[in-house]
Amino acid sequence: NAGVTQTPKFQVLKTGQSMTLQCAQDMNHEYMSWYRQDPGMGLRLIHYSVGAGITDQGEVPNGYNVSRSTTEDFPLRLLSAAPSQTSVYFCASSYFAGVGQPQHFGDGTRLSIL
Amino acid sequence: KQEVTQIPAALSVPEGENLVLNCSFTDSAIYNLQWFRQDPGKGLTSLLLIQSSQREQTSGRLNASLDKSSGRSTLYIAASQPGDSATYLCAVSEMDSNYQLIWGAGTKLIIKP
Repeated sequence: NAGVTQTPKFQVLKTGQSMTLQCAQDMNHEYMSWYRQDPGMGLRLIHYSVGAGITDQGEVPNGYNVSRSTTEDFPLRLLSAAPSQTSVYFCASSYFAGVGQPQHFGDGTRLSIL
Repeated sequence: KQEVTQIPAALSVPEGENLVLNCSFTDSAIYNLQWFRQDPGKGLTSLLLIQSSQREQTSGRLNASLDKSSGRSTLYIAASQPGDSATYLCAVSEMDSNYQLIWGAGTKLIIKP
């Protein structure tokens, strides 16, 4: 019972590099989202998706792209890494955003930008 | 704009005590409120979800209450154990924001044996 799987768990990048954070869920959830967590702050929503082919911006979308070609996968792309993007990134999923279902989280990707 | 606050940022209590964690929000027009637990280096685990029409939810030694009119929620932990040590976060969901979660910064709880 895998739940939400994020890869990689750790990554160090140089400024200007690009990379993709992977997120996959095996629960047939429609709603998926990406958050970043910084020290002393709550989680902030980057992008979210209410189903395959549908994505939308959250609170802090700049510098990130997403796509949702399948129900299972929701990758997050950093276009040109900046030190301000050093953070812990979490992917979450739930059956549907509008019916009050609890969200399931992956274990996170710890990203450092040098 | 909705803001969610959790005070205190950290709390240390002896094992066996009952304790209350606080969560306040500025806009009462919420859809639901969730409490999560986060262990070091791990993701978040949903503990309790309270719909806006509900007053409380219970799961084992945990009880969460919701008072929308005052913009407050509490998480009550009975007979605390060292295994309860973690960071506890609350988040509210708003219909007007497409059910996005707005998060507090969390309370780091340490239960001393």
